[in-house]
Amino acid sequence: DAGVIQSPRHEVTEMGQEVTLRCKPISGHNSLFWYRQTMMRGLELLIYFNNNVPIDDSGMPEDRFSAKMPNASFSTLKIQPSEPRDSAVYFCASTPDRGGSGANVLTFGAGSRLTVL
Amino acid sequence: QKEVEQDPGPLSVPEGAIVSLNCTYSNSAFQYFMWYRQYSRKGPELLMYTYSSGNKEDGRFTAQVDKSSKYISLFIRDSQPSDSATYLCAMSGPPSGGSYIPTFGRGTSLIVHP
Repeated sequence: DAGVIQSPRHEVTEMGQEVTLRCKPISGHNSLFWYRQTMMRGLELLIYFNNNVPIDDSGMPEDRFSAKMPNASFSTLKIQPSEPRDSAVYFCASTPDRGGSGANVLTFGAGSRLTVL
Repeated sequence: QKEVEQDPGPLSVPEGAIVSLNCTYSNSAFQYFMWYRQYSRKGPELLMYTYSSGNKEDGRFTAQVDKSSKYISLFIRDSQPSDSATYLCAMSGPPSGGSYIPTFGRGTSLIVHP
């Protein structure tokens, strides 16, 4: 298996531009998570999906952020308009959440490093 | 105060040293305790996980959980330069929305020098 695949790996954009990050989870994994990682705050959960349905988006910073999962093999995280404070590494992770597996071990992608100038 | 506290380091040790990495937490409901390792420019990957209190050993790595003190540790014996990475603790439970959502510490940067 190729693991969790994220694109782009690096994105440099100017303030005000729209940014779209993409994720392909591991086949058969039915839960997908978007995290943001910064030096100051560490890994923060933005949103997670279970069977393509958003379950908890309380971590999404504000209305400029949106996430979709149109099918089991694809998810997007969009920032519009982007701001310099959005600069971070964004990780997607998936897990075969079977409900009873409390450890809920996540497999992470390599991340998308976003720089907003 | 964050739910999970972890000293960011960096922690620098000589090759062969025993390394102790620690996290404290405030949520007594946490049931599962995990350690992830993250190399530079990579995503975190699971190293070990334990359920409730106790010890778990895997090769040079030992994870300890003390729920009464809300304190977890990861010990690395005979540390190697290849162990240089950021180590993140994570905890989960009880389920939210039907899933156990892990809460991560900020990570401790470990440098093992030859």
